[in-house]
Amino acid sequence: KAGVTQTPRYLIKTRGQQVTLSCSPISGHRSVSWYQQTPGQGLQFLFEYFSETQRNKGNFPGRFSGRQFSNSRSEMNVSTLELGDSALYLCASSLRSLGGDTQYFGPGTRLTVL
Amino acid sequence: GQQVMQIPQYQHVQEGEDFTTYCNSSTTLSNIQWYKQRPGGHPVFLIQLVKSGEVKKQKRLTFQFGEAKKNSSLHITATQTTDVGTYFCAGRGAQKLVFGQGTRLTINP
Repeated sequence: KAGVTQTPRYLIKTRGQQVTLSCSPISGHRSVSWYQQTPGQGLQFLFEYFSETQRNKGNFPGRFSGRQFSNSRSEMNVSTLELGDSALYLCASSLRSLGGDTQYFGPGTRLTVL
Repeated sequence: GQQVMQIPQYQHVQEGEDFTTYCNSSTTLSNIQWYKQRPGGHPVFLIQLVKSGEVKKQKRLTFQFGEAKKNSSLHITATQTTDVGTYFCAGRGAQKLVFGQGTRLTINP
């Protein structure tokens, strides 16, 4: 089975811009979760989507949003980028809803905000 | 809200020494998972513990889940250079999976 894929792998944006990241889960997985990873804060949970519905949300501002499509692919959007949004954004898929199953992580998208 | 604390944040050992990382939750967990992230890589699932007092082994790695299901540990015996990376615990509480901050292990060959 192909693993979790994320595009793009690297992205450079400037403050104030917006960005959309994409995640394709493992075939058959219905749950997609997004995480922000920074050296100082570790892995911070952004949100989880299961069957096109947001199931859980972390403590991030409304500038961070996401969605999931009928084929389970997910996108994450960050509007009005700030310098502090520079991070590795990881998505993870699982068969069932969050926490009840192994999380399979993608390689991540490295976002740099200048 | 649910918090998962992991210590130490960093650990440097000589190759062949043992290594242990500890994970403590503010709430009782239904299960705990452990992940390893190699430098430049992404987290990879190692194991899941579900039962109170559970102990599981994977070669040189020993995982324990506390009796109260609020803490866990990962112990590596006789570290090798391939063990380098960051080890994360992730505790499942009320419909959420919360990751610890991770323990970054470096090894002097």
